Amino acid sequence: DAEITQSPRHKIIETGRQVTLACHQTWNHNNMFWYRQDLGHGLRLIHYSYGVHDTNKGEVSDGYSVSRSNTEDLPLTLESAASSQTSVYFCASSVTGGASERTEAFFGQGTRLTVV
Amino acid sequence: AQSVTQLDSQVPVFEEAPVELRCNYSSSVSVYLFWYVQYPNQGLQLLLKYLSGSTLVKGINGFEAEFNKSQTSFHLRKPSVHISDTAEYFCAVKQGGSEKLVFGKGTKLTVNP
Repeated sequence: DAEITQSPRHKIIETGRQVTLACHQTWNHNNMFWYRQDLGHGLRLIHYSYGVHDTNKGEVSDGYSVSRSNTEDLPLTLESAASSQTSVYFCASSVTGGASERTEAFFGQGTRLTVV
Repeated sequence: AQSVTQLDSQVPVFEEAPVELRCNYSSSVSVYLFWYVQYPNQGLQLLLKYLSGSTLVKGINGFEAEFNKSQTSFHLRKPSVHISDTAEYFCAVKQGGSEKLVFGKGTKLTVNP
């Protein structure tokens, strides 16, 4: 079955360190997204990509970067982690094309990141 | 910019009681609306979606939602809830021409015996 997987599921890092969260999907979806989930804020969009070599900033992109070198993967990098980036991170994917632009997004299981 | 308001952050109900989770979105020419459910320590799973056509949409696990364009609402309902419905529920909107989903802040539904 097609799926979307995130790794690691849990991570603890020190302030100032760099960390990369992996997201891999096997649906061949062109769209991929990174959200963070925080109590009282719901899900907020960090970065998104509509295809290979395309990346765009979301509403909370400061301190994060992404790159899209193939269809399947959209890794999220925190260049210098801060305590404010302690959160649960979700990757999602969807497909565009004619009427299918209206399909839903499929989500990974999440990565719980703690910055100490 | 599109926004979504979920009016209740927490909703406690007793088992077998009806429930309504409220969702309002900012007006737009064309929108697509979604409800997702998140069980503890899991990702988000689609409950139902409104794309066009009938304003009453039925989803999984006995949930349904009604799209009301004049009131810019998309409230989620279930006539009789179970303990297993305890979860957090998110309303989301996608504006026509964009692939981005904008989420509400979520409603935590707790079903008590």
